[in-house]
Parts: sequence; C-alpha cells; structure tokens
Amino acid sequence: DVKVTQSSRYLVKRTGEKVFLECVQDMDHENMFWYRQDPGLGLRLIYFSYDVKMKEKGDIPEGYSVSREKKERFSLILESASTNQTSMYLCASTDREQPQHFGDGTRLSIL
Amino acid sequence: EDQVTQSPEALRLQEGESSSLNCSYTVSGLRGLFWYRQDPGKGPEFLFTLYSAGEEKEKERLKATLTKKESFLHITAPKPEDSATYLCAVSPGSNYKLTFGKGTLLTVNP
Repeated sequence: DVKVTQSSRYLVKRTGEKVFLECVQDMDHENMFWYRQDPGLGLRLIYFSYDVKMKEKGDIPEGYSVSREKKERFSLILESASTNQTSMYLCASTDREQPQHFGDGTRLSIL
Repeated sequence: EDQVTQSPEALRLQEGESSSLNCSYTVSGLRGLFWYRQDPGKGPEFLFTLYSAGEEKEKERLKATLTKKESFLHITAPKPEDSATYLCAVSPGSNYKLTFGKGTLLTVNP
C-alpha cells in the first residue's frame, strides 16, 4: 500500500512566522501535490512537482513556496504566515496511471 | 477551465435507503474521473477511477457510473459506516493534476 506521511497532524503558529509542512511518500512516485481544504471551497491545488527540483504553480500559489530536493519528500513553505492561511493542508502523490494517494493532512492554525 | 459540481451538498439517509450522488463535470479531454471518500479529520481515500463513458465500477455497496457529462455514485442499502464526505475529481488528458468538486456529505442514520 502507498503510504503518504505528513509530519504533523496539528500545528499552531503565529502571524509572520515561516512555516514548513513536510510530506514523505514511500512508493517512489514522481508526482507530488499540495492542496488546502476549506469548508465550502473544497480542495484547491497550491503547488505540484513532477520530478526532483521541479515545481509548478497550482491554482492558489500566492503566499506559498515548495521544495523538492529528494524524490520522496515534498515540502510546503509559508514564507510569512497569515491568518487566512489557517486551513487543512493535504499532500498527495501519484505515478503514471495510478490515482493520487493522500496523507491524513495537517490542520494548521495561524494566530 | 475544468469544473466539477457535486450534488446534493448534503444527504441524509436511513439505513437501507438507497440513493445516488451526482458529479457533473466539464474538462478539456478527460483522462479519468475519480471518486474518493473522506472521513472527518483524515485525508481522502481512493474509491474508483472511471475512464470512459459507459464504464461502471463496484465495491461493496457502492457503484460508480460515467457518462460524457456526469458520474453517479450509487449507494445500495447503506449502513451508518458509509457516512462520510464523498469527493469527485477529474483529471485532464495532459497531466496528473486533479480538479475536485466540493463534495457531498452523506449521513446514514441507524
């Protein structure tokens, strides 16, 4: 079974802090994704990566950056956290014709 | 622009009362349509992929069907443990990105 692990289930940070969310997958997948999920808005794609050191903007990249130095790890970075970035963050990975497999999410609160 | 609309937003059923969830979509070249189940506080769990109109997939009490404009998730004789949010997503032909609908919150009462 594919395992996608997000480093924290719950995280509380302050406005202006630099925040790192980590995601690791164990299936050697090429493609990895970061989403945020908000009530009434559904899942929205922030960034994705189709190879090491490669990244592409999703639908809502403003205020975020990403890093993919190793194939199994994809990090989401909030450069200067703001309260409107309080959300559930979900990481996913996939390869070729497989469906995306998701981690259990990080619920991030920015105070 | 790819769009996915799910209806209803919420559905409450009695145990054993069969029903269907709808997913309408517009996409520039469908690579696949995906159904996921999401329990509170957890990530989406993959259920089905459908690739072409007329295709059907089944798993226990769930059956997914696909036409050129929409997909249905039929739930036969549901049980309380089927309570969850069901998400539909489409992938266009050129890459592995997904566009999600907002989901249907299903509650099955005993």
